[in-house]
Amino acid sequence: GESVGLHLPTLSVQEGDNSIINCAYSNSASDYFIWYKQESGKGPQFIIDIRSNMDKRQGQRVTVLLNKTVKHLSLQIAATQPGDSAVYFCAEASNAGGTSYGKLTFGQGTILTVHP
Amino acid sequence: DAGVIQSPRHEVTEMGQEVTLRCKPISGHDYLFWYRQTMMRGLELLIYFNNNVPIDDSGMPEDRFSAKMPNASFSTLKIQPSEPRDSAVYFCASSLPLQGRRAEAFFGQGTRLTVV
Repeated sequence: GESVGLHLPTLSVQEGDNSIINCAYSNSASDYFIWYKQESGKGPQFIIDIRSNMDKRQGQRVTVLLNKTVKHLSLQIAATQPGDSAVYFCAEASNAGGTSYGKLTFGQGTILTVHP
Repeated sequence: DAGVIQSPRHEVTEMGQEVTLRCKPISGHDYLFWYRQTMMRGLELLIYFNNNVPIDDSGMPEDRFSAKMPNASFSTLKIQPSEPRDSAVYFCASSLPLQGRRAEAFFGQGTRLTVV
């Protein structure tokens, strides 16, 4: 039969607009979250991280918001540029046992397209 | 550091052949991960190592897949025999432990495997 690929959410914005990318996670034990950016032909690259004892963290042009009540994570990109066009993934991990690093579980990704 | 280094970047092989993918993690990182990325399933964790010891191989799809880490600076992912459905981009990533610091996984450029 015919294979069906993932239908990634897409977000299309104009250059200079702000972008908001959303992610729902499923594991309530997750206590560390990361946003990755993946450009075509490359591996995922770190953007920003946040721990579960925080609800907001800001970086350069990016802000991550964490809502543990509804298990929701968002990435806000200010003044979006064409170079921000990529697939964005959220990833979660749990610090199981308090001393070791758990595996990262990735969301399906969101395609961001920025039009000049 | 040159980052995580994977080889080869591209591999085309015939069904039934053995394929070996290689990875050199970032020096000093004691976690190493193998991920597979496809349109069908997104980014999946296959196996990860801590201090050269396999911790979780629950993502390895079948016995045809095996991974080793003989020392802290080298890992291999082997598929024998390969099948067309193994065609994907395989990423290796490495990281430091989570404890009290940024602990994102750094990804290599990936190996694009095509099995015909």
